[in-house]
Amino acid sequence: NAGVMQNPRHLVRRRGQEARLRCSPMKGHSHVYWYRQLPEEGLKFMVYLQKENIIDESGMPKERFSAEFPKEGPSILRIQQVVRGDSAAYFCASSTEREKLFFGSGTQLSVL
Amino acid sequence: GENVEQHPSTLSVQEGDSAVIKCTYSDSASNYFPWYKQELGKGPQLIIDIRSNVGEKKDQRIAVTLNKTAKHFSLHITETQPEDSAVYFCAAVDQGAQKLVFGQGTRLTINP
Repeated sequence: NAGVMQNPRHLVRRRGQEARLRCSPMKGHSHVYWYRQLPEEGLKFMVYLQKENIIDESGMPKERFSAEFPKEGPSILRIQQVVRGDSAAYFCASSTEREKLFFGSGTQLSVL
Repeated sequence: GENVEQHPSTLSVQEGDSAVIKCTYSDSASNYFPWYKQELGKGPQLIIDIRSNVGEKKDQRIAVTLNKTAKHFSLHITETQPEDSAVYFCAAVDQGAQKLVFGQGTRLTINP
């Protein structure tokens, strides 16, 4: 049973470009969470989704950031017009019961 | 919403000694408290969790204690080994928002 799969592991973008981060939850998991981590800091909640629904996006910036979890396919975190401050590790987690979260290996986004 | 404070931020112990990491939370309605271990370049891994209906839980060398009245919980690692070196995060469920809120992390170093 594969764990949470995130890709790419590393993503380099120039300022103004778009970044797309993908997350395939564990089999049977219908809850997906995105967290952001800056170096030497904790995990900051961004968004919580269930299939085709955004449940809580209170941690996500109102502009440039969006997330989806379609009926088919992976969850996508999209960052438009990236800026240097978007450089961070982005982690996806999935669960069946909103509590016991299993994390992927993350995507390290670097904005040049 | 929930707020989780974690101490210390760094901890160094001799191999074979015990390590203790402490967290406090603010929302008395929170009822689930997991601990995660994050190794360099990897995603957080769930190592132990506890629900509010018990005061202590143990799994081999690691244990977690919970004091609901004082709203704090602790991770105890006994007979530490070099492979225990990592960053450890505590978390609590924000009942109102249905998401995990993380502490700031503790960098644990085991000295041989």
